Amino acid sequence: AQKVTQAQTEISVVEKEDVTLDCVYETRDTTYYLFWYKQPPSGELVFLIRRNSFDEQNEISGRYSWNFQKSTSSFNFTITASQVVDSAVYFCALKGGSQGNLIFGKGTKLSVKP
Amino acid sequence: EAQVTQNPRYLITVTGKKLTVTCSQNMNHEYMSWYRQDPGLGLRQIYYSMNVEVTDKGDVPEGYKVSRKEKRNFPLILESPSPNQTSLYFCASSLYSDLVGSGPGELFFGEGSRLTVL
Repeated sequence: AQKVTQAQTEISVVEKEDVTLDCVYETRDTTYYLFWYKQPPSGELVFLIRRNSFDEQNEISGRYSWNFQKSTSSFNFTITASQVVDSAVYFCALKGGSQGNLIFGKGTKLSVKP
Repeated sequence: EAQVTQNPRYLITVTGKKLTVTCSQNMNHEYMSWYRQDPGLGLRQIYYSMNVEVTDKGDVPEGYKVSRKEKRNFPLILESPSPNQTSLYFCASSLYSDLVGSGPGELFFGEGSRLTVL
């Protein structure tokens, strides 16, 4: 069975702090895909990143970075120098290579205060 | 403009009155899916479709039906809605490839349909 766990339900930080959102996954597939999505207060779902299981390189995009560790089945997301506009619910998601369904974690609500 | 369009965006209905939420995408995507979002439960997949005439159950399919007669459309049907189907529903689509290392692309989501069943 596939599973995605986002243990942090809510996080609150002050602007300019760095923050890491945790994502731990379970799958029996050797080929799989991991995603992060952002849902701002306006409600839409915004794609942030896709990573496949063969690519363990960490990725940086501006203030965002992702740390993929197969050894610990984790795909953590770090925001550096957070801003108020980063306030949103962030979802981690997993799709196994042999599965057609994409499983989401329950999300982490990030509040960045000025 | 590339988009996934859901209708209606908001609906209040009563128990037992059949309803359909339409979903259409203009990106020629093979993969389409329906999710429901509930507080504390995140996004849960209802049904998905890998291509025309191919549909499969997700994690919470009970009480829902879907069809995929055309590539661009993937309607969600509630034959006899009940209050526990009150939720925010999202339709999504993506390119999909069976090639190793390719797999599903970015999921494009519709704006959501907020359904209330009284």
